[in-house]
Amino acid sequence: RKEVEQDPGPFNVPEGATVAFNCTYSNSASQSFFWYRQDCRKEPKLLMSVYSSGNEDGRFTAQLNRASQYISLLIRDSKLSDSATYLCVVNRANQGGKLIFGQGTELSVKP
Amino acid sequence: NAGVTQTPKFQVLKTGQSMTLQCAQDMNHNSMYWYRQDPGMGLRLIYYSASEGTTDKGEVPNGYNVSRLNKREFSLRLESAAPSQTSVYFCASSEKGSYGYTFGSGTRLTVV
Repeated sequence: RKEVEQDPGPFNVPEGATVAFNCTYSNSASQSFFWYRQDCRKEPKLLMSVYSSGNEDGRFTAQLNRASQYISLLIRDSKLSDSATYLCVVNRANQGGKLIFGQGTELSVKP
Repeated sequence: NAGVTQTPKFQVLKTGQSMTLQCAQDMNHNSMYWYRQDPGMGLRLIYYSASEGTTDKGEVPNGYNVSRLNKREFSLRLESAAPSQTSVYFCASSEKGSYGYTFGSGTRLTVV
């Protein structure tokens, strides 16, 4: 079983749609959680951190459920520019700053 | 622009050849990392350096060596390249552990 699992997609949605991505992680001692965005053939970039209370950044909302070991990302009012691969990322507990990346979920927003 | 610089951007090697991928950061970060990215596999950690003078193995270290030359530079060496090492390689750095990874733009390596 992979340490961080995501639905690879692709998710094809029209502009203006709301889309949700889910992620599960296997190490219950994991402490830090993130969503990264990766454009085609580019490097990953931090989109947002994920906090236990849930957090929002404009059209993006991230939530964490520690009991279920589940992380989500909600994108409202999708834009063409949101087309990218979204990576669920978890720190490996008790091993400093090393991050474990999910394989990513591909999103394609169509006009 | 401040950030992480990787060289080269593209490379084709023959099986058995050696090469070194270079990475340098100008953000005064303590930690540096090398990942490889393959289709359907996500990013996998090869080696990391928590601070200058230290290096440790990640998930997939076989076939690679690293050198933390100084605080700025962290190089990855392939001693005898194999087709299985065809991948995109990313270097990253961070100030405090898992927060705020900054990635380089990647090296696309093909081993034939």
